Amino acid sequence: QTVVTQEPSFSVSPGGTVTLTCGLSSASVSSSHSPSWYQQTPGQAPRTLIYTTNSRCSGVPDRFSGSILGNKAALTITGAQADDESDYYCALYMGRGVYVFGTGTKVTVL
Amino acid sequence: EVQLVESGGGLVQPGGSLRLSCAASGFTLSGYWMGWVRQAPGRGLQWVANIKQDGSEMYYVDSVKGRLTISRDNAKNSLYLQINSLRAEDAAVYYCARYSAQRASAYFDCWGQGTLVTVSS
Repeated sequence: QTVVTQEPSFSVSPGGTVTLTCGLSSASVSSSHSPSWYQQTPGQAPRTLIYTTNSRCSGVPDRFSGSILGNKAALTITGAQADDESDYYCALYMGRGVYVFGTGTKVTVL
Repeated sequence: EVQLVESGGGLVQPGGSLRLSCAASGFTLSGYWMGWVRQAPGRGLQWVANIKQDGSEMYYVDSVKGRLTISRDNAKNSLYLQINSLRAEDAAVYYCARYSAQRASAYFDCWGQGTLVTVSS
């Protein structure tokens, strides 16, 4: 089974910038994987932030941006705020109907 | 307003069966792929299954093939997940989600609040 890897955790200062990545062990991530990003706070359902690499969902602040950096998908939070403290998951479409979530990154703002 | 409301979760013995339901409102169900995503306690998100608008195509994560069945009834605005031969590793919150699958796009754009499945004797 495909494994999509993310950093386990990141800490960022209020107002700071952090970049989370999403990679594959045996291949490069590209736009053809339609990378998407989801935010989840404890006890809540996921919230979709970014789709097709860099498109923001309605209502998502523009401090969240998506991109491809090297051979990985990336989510950058610019000007982090306290309520950005959450778990973040990427997801990739692997073809033939198969969809895989990443391992998740816990972001702490302090 | 788009709403997805799951139901049917609960405590089930190992080897038992369960059918989860998801009631959709605020959009035309027949126009969208739909899917199920689960999250075991303290763990990450795991895609489980997707189903095409007319139910003609279904896809599953390898680990559930043969035991879980996704289905839909567009006339009843409902999505279902039948879980058979329940195992400890099936214990999770199950989320119903709308899946956007267009030319170069594949992602979940709307989520329900989830229903909890507990497996214990």
